[in-house]
Amino acid sequence: DADVTQTPRNRITKTGKRIMLECSQTKGHDRMYWYRQDPGLGLRLIYYSFDVKDINKGEISDGYSVSRQAQAKFSLSLESAIPNQTALYFCATSAVSGTVSNNFGPGTRLTVT
Amino acid sequence: AQSVSQHNHHVILSEAASLELGCNYSYGGTVNLFWYVQYPGQHLQLLLKYFSGDPLVKGIKGFEAEFIKSKFSFNLRKPSVQWSDTAEYFCAVNPSGYSSASKIIFGSGTRLSIRP
Repeated sequence: DADVTQTPRNRITKTGKRIMLECSQTKGHDRMYWYRQDPGLGLRLIYYSFDVKDINKGEISDGYSVSRQAQAKFSLSLESAIPNQTALYFCATSAVSGTVSNNFGPGTRLTVT
Repeated sequence: AQSVSQHNHHVILSEAASLELGCNYSYGGTVNLFWYVQYPGQHLQLLLKYFSGDPLVKGIKGFEAEFIKSKFSFNLRKPSVQWSDTAEYFCAVNPSGYSSASKIIFGSGTRLSIRP
């Protein structure tokens, strides 16, 4: 079974709609992240969470919000989707200490029309 | 501002050719360095990482990377590529001293296409 799962895997929505992307992990990691990937731009950090009570904005948080419902769950919401939020979204986790590297989920492809 | 540059946006090679993908970063302090690979339709996977010690790092699938501090570089190499290496490759940098991975900065990626 995958360590980091994301739902949905694909979503098409209309401008102005609210949408939530969900992420769950079984790795027991405290830290969770949301990135978006755009062609030619690599990955950019949207939000990150060190634990359930700690949420931080990343590089491009405008237009997004998050909720850390439990250690294993970290949701990303687009309150009012716009076309330039069309992208591939990745959730990732990391341990508090040690490798620092991120473990990525399979991604959610979001299209806003 | 800290940044990571991958100057090769798309590299096309034949099987058995040697590979070197460039990565340069801008940060004056100590860094942790990573290469990730993303196969078509899949998520990012860690290929190799450098934290300290021997600047020549061995990763999975025959990849290696060399950290050259004086050049702020961490180039990825493989002596003989295979068709299955077709993927996108991302260099990433995490300035040491930050207590979390939140400061991982990714390059824009290099798409590698291998001709059978």
